[in-house]
Amino acid sequence: SQTIHQWPATLVQPVGSPLSLECTVEGTSNPNLYWYRQAAGRGLQLLFYSVGIGQISSEVPQNLSASRPQDRQFILSSKKLLLSDSGFYLCAWSVPGQPRTAEAFFGQGTRLTVV
Amino acid sequence: DAKTTQPNSMESNEEEPVHLPCNHSTISGTDYIHWYRQLPSQGPEYVIHGLTSNVNNRMASLAIAEDRKSSTLILHRATLRDAAVYYCILNGRDNQGGKLIFGQGTELSVKP
Repeated sequence: SQTIHQWPATLVQPVGSPLSLECTVEGTSNPNLYWYRQAAGRGLQLLFYSVGIGQISSEVPQNLSASRPQDRQFILSSKKLLLSDSGFYLCAWSVPGQPRTAEAFFGQGTRLTVV
Repeated sequence: DAKTTQPNSMESNEEEPVHLPCNHSTISGTDYIHWYRQLPSQGPEYVIHGLTSNVNNRMASLAIAEDRKSSTLILHRATLRDAAVYYCILNGRDNQGGKLIFGQGTELSVKP
């Protein structure tokens, strides 16, 4: 069966420090991969998505970047964190080739607090 | 992207049915209607999706209006574990990569 791993679960980082969040998927090949952020309150904002190795689409300009060095690995990074980067970060995957019907599976999230 | 409109919050009593509405008046003919829910401090989980016909699964039912400009997610007997934020999302033909664009959703509270 397919599983998604996201770590760490919580993270407290000082302003100006770098960030690296990792997400891996098991049990499937060539998944579509996504990074979302949820600020305090509701509303998930799509940050990046990827349909293959090295293929990254950015949805909003910001202080973050994403990379997909391997088929089932998706990394979210920042060189210098801002206070506004605080939030709940979620990684997700879906089966490719079914853009209108595929179910998305979410990880458990990383709660990032920038201090 | 076609947008959806949902009430900000709803209340229900335990063991009673819940009808969560969603308006999507600008839906196109190829847009699927998806519902996800997010329990506190967790990632969203898929609930159900449909195109034109009503759909049922073990979690819920989806009733789609004949003109497809609105839909209703039906929880047949609400439990305390159904307290969550419910998101109605449209997923269309030009959706590259199958990405989901979430709105604000409806926060459902369930009273014992």
